[in-house]
Amino acid sequence: EVQLVESGGGLVQPGRSLKLSCVASGFTFSNYGMNWIRQAPGKGLEWVAYISSGSSYIYYAETVKGRFTISRDNAKNTLYLQMTSLRSEDTALYYCARRDYYFDYWGQGVMVTVSS
Amino acid sequence: DVQMTQSLSYLAASPGESVSISCKASKSISNYLAWYQQKPGEAYKLLIYSGSTLQSGTPSRFSGSGSGTDFTLTIRSLEPEDFGLYYCQQYYEKPHTFGSGTKLEIK
Repeated sequence: EVQLVESGGGLVQPGRSLKLSCVASGFTFSNYGMNWIRQAPGKGLEWVAYISSGSSYIYYAETVKGRFTISRDNAKNTLYLQMTSLRSEDTALYYCARRDYYFDYWGQGVMVTVSS
Repeated sequence: DVQMTQSLSYLAASPGESVSISCKASKSISNYLAWYQQKPGEAYKLLIYSGSTLQSGTPSRFSGSGSGTDFTLTIRSLEPEDFGLYYCQQYYEKPHTFGSGTKLEIK
């Protein structure tokens, strides 16, 4: 069974940093591109970042480019999102999701709240 | 960015009825469209990709149609477990963008 489990969320002050993790199981992690997608409270879904299976290709939404870094450790079956210079508008439920274009498996999400 | 519009934010229907949920893209996206379902406490579930291809495990009462800018998700003979939120998503170009969602509730 494919499972994606996010962790690392919490309450953080504006301007600070936070690192999210997503541990994958039930499939060969190194074969798949992975994504971070977020949903602000009461808002729609926003794709945040993508990383290819071998980390050769990385893309970001303009809203996070230069502040967020997506990475992965295929030996640990883990996807990461390093978030810096956090803003109140980054407050959201962050999901990791599998695949390059459409997203066939999602985690349950981890909440990030940016507030003083 | 490609804007995805789901004109109906809310739809009420009874079990056994058929419903259609529409999604419109701001430019032609060919058939690079997916549909997702979300139910409270559950992970998002991919229902359909490539506009009309059912993901493994998606019941056959679900169908997708359309290409270019206009797409429809149809659910025939609604079951109680079909009620929830439905989103469309384009993957024609990055950033991949989502519709605002349609909430399907029991009448």
